[in-house]
Amino acid sequence: NAGVTQTPKFRVLKTGQSMTLLCAQDMNHEYMYWYRQDPGMGLRLIHYSVGEGTTAKGEVPDGYNVSRLKKQNFLLGLESAAPSQTSVYFCASSRTSGSFGEQFFGPGTRLTVL
Amino acid sequence: GENVEQHPSTLSVQEGDSAVIKCTYSDSASNYFPWYKQELGKGPQLIIDIRSNVGEKKDQRIAVTLNKTAKHFSLHITETQPEDSAVYFCAAKGSGGSNYKLTFGKGTLLTVNP
Repeated sequence: NAGVTQTPKFRVLKTGQSMTLLCAQDMNHEYMYWYRQDPGMGLRLIHYSVGEGTTAKGEVPDGYNVSRLKKQNFLLGLESAAPSQTSVYFCASSRTSGSFGEQFFGPGTRLTVL
Repeated sequence: GENVEQHPSTLSVQEGDSAVIKCTYSDSASNYFPWYKQELGKGPQLIIDIRSNVGEKKDQRIAVTLNKTAKHFSLHITETQPEDSAVYFCAAKGSGGSNYKLTFGKGTLLTVNP
């Protein structure tokens, strides 16, 4: 089991460029999440998905779009990158929808927008 | 929505001493409280969690306590070792329609000095 994987690991963009971050999980989890981590801010939820074909906004969704065409994949897109989107991005997945459900995190993608 | 406060933001201890990290939450209906450890350059990893129907849980050198009345929970690490050095995050799971989303504290950087 690879768990949760993310590609790429690092990326540098210029302002206005676009890119897609890929998250994949092999645990057959229903729920997937995208977070961003900034110094002193903890982890903030960008978008999440409760199943294939569904997506929903989290705490900080502006400037991002997501898609969940396959159960195992969750894509995060930046259509026109801005310096404020410089951050470390983590994907996570979880099995259950009930009261409990451990979230498993990927290794992260460090994005710099110049 | 849920709000989680975490203190302290940094904590430095001598090897062998105990470390305590405290979190408070705002939503009295929250019922799941995980703690994550994040080592440098890696994604967060669950180390211990507690459900709202339990007051304390222990796993070797780490323990978590929960006070539902006061809406706070704490992580206790005894006999600290240099490999315990990391950023620790507390989190709370919301209730109702958002019962699969975690709200994270801003993290505590723990340094264990040899």
